[in-house]
Amino acid sequence: AQTVTQSQPEMSVQEAETVTLSCTYDTSESDYYLFWYKQPPSRQMILVIRQEAYKQQNATENRFSVNFQKAAKSFSLKISDSQLGDAAMYFCAYRTRANSKLTFGKGITLSVRP
Amino acid sequence: GAGVSQSPSNKVTEKGKDVELRCDPISGHTALYWYRQSLGQGLEFLIYFQGNSAPDKSGLPSDRFSAERTGGSVSTLTIQRTQQEDSAVYLCASSTSLSAKTNEQFFGPGTRLTVL
Repeated sequence: AQTVTQSQPEMSVQEAETVTLSCTYDTSESDYYLFWYKQPPSRQMILVIRQEAYKQQNATENRFSVNFQKAAKSFSLKISDSQLGDAAMYFCAYRTRANSKLTFGKGITLSVRP
Repeated sequence: GAGVSQSPSNKVTEKGKDVELRCDPISGHTALYWYRQSLGQGLEFLIYFQGNSAPDKSGLPSDRFSAERTGGSVSTLTIQRTQQEDSAVYLCASSTSLSAKTNEQFFGPGTRLTVL
C-alpha cells in the first residue's frame, strides 16, 4: 500500500526567509504523481505544485519549488521569500497514473512570523 | 459556478440521525471524489465517481456510508445513524477525465459535520 509521511507537525518561518517542508512516500509503482496542497483556514485545498515521477527536473512555480529524490522517495517543498499569506496547512499527496485517488500525508502547519 | 461548491457549510446533528452532504462539481468535470478530514486520521479517500458510476468505493468506512451521483453532476454523500466518530470535514473534489495528463483535482470548501 502507498503511504505518505510528513513527520513535522508544525514549522515556523520569518517573513521573507526560506523554509523547506519535508515529505517521504512509499510505493512500489514506477509511474506516479506527487503534489503539495495548501489548506488555509477557509478549508479550501489549493494545489501548490505537482511533480511527475518520470521527470527528473524538479518542478517550480514562482516562489515554490520541490526537491524530488526518486530513489530516496523524498519530495520536499521549498518556499522562498515567505509571505504572511503562506501561513496555512500544507499536505503532501501521491497518486498513481492509473488510479486517480489521492493519498495524503498528515499535513504540516506553517506559521509565518512578521 | 466557477468552482466546486458544497452544502451545507456546517452541519450539527444528533447521534443516530441521518445526514446528507451535497457536492456540485465544476461544470464538465466527469470525475468526482469524496474525502474525509478528521483530527485523528488526517485526509482519507472515501469514494470516486466517473460519470454516475463508482469504480472505487474502497474508502467508505462502513455500510452506514453511501454516495450517489446523478446526471454526471451533483453528488450526495449520505451517512445513516451518525456516530460521534463521523465528526469531520467532508471534502469533495472534481477533475477532468482520468486520461487527462495531470488530472488535477479541484476541491470544494468542505462540509464540517459535528455529531453530538
